[in-house]
Amino acid sequence: DSGVTQTPKHLITATGQRVTLRCSPRSGDLSVYWYQQSLDQGLQFLIQYYNGEERAKGNILERFSAQQFPDLHSELNLSSLELGDSALYFCASSPSQTSSYEQYFGPGTRLTVT
Amino acid sequence: DQQVKQNSPSLSVQEGRISILNCDYTNSMFDYFLWYKKYPAEGPTFLISISSIKDKNEDGRFTVFLNKSAKHLSLHIVPSQPGDSAVYFCAARFYDGKLTFGQGTILTVHP
Repeated sequence: DSGVTQTPKHLITATGQRVTLRCSPRSGDLSVYWYQQSLDQGLQFLIQYYNGEERAKGNILERFSAQQFPDLHSELNLSSLELGDSALYFCASSPSQTSSYEQYFGPGTRLTVT
Repeated sequence: DQQVKQNSPSLSVQEGRISILNCDYTNSMFDYFLWYKKYPAEGPTFLISISSIKDKNEDGRFTVFLNKSAKHLSLHIVPSQPGDSAVYFCAARFYDGKLTFGQGTILTVHP
């Protein structure tokens, strides 16, 4: 158990809909990272937050957004969903901004868009 | 543009033998390289890392080798055990802390 929790575990929704994925980092970790893993793809970095502020952006679509709240939990919002958004979404946390090699991953949320 | 590549989608090894997982990268600005292990229905777990200024790092049965001139790294597992069966991801860290992952290699260790 990494100490990172993600809810929900599974999500099935229709095209055009909007969903919110939630992540609670390990106690004391200030950085949260979001990744997408599609079929046949490695983990694609989406976005990083550190202590409530956006720190780095990867291949995140404009239809996707994220935020980190004062209690340090984070939410990833996916809107106008398309079939191709079906994937595993992982959240990871680390103690600081740059020690990303210490990233601890949650179990992921499997999103299925039908 | 795939900056980190794991060209072998799968590897099958007998228990007790050596497992060698390979990874190639293109960007010479990466400063750290890492290996993560992932079991089904779980998130990736950090395994071992190596700084770009080193060529070898060892931790128990796991050794990572880095060849900077070839932009290649490998993970050696000796001896391999059935519990090592998992997906292994190679990752590279950019100076700003972002990780770029390879596509993963499925390792199967047969008893």
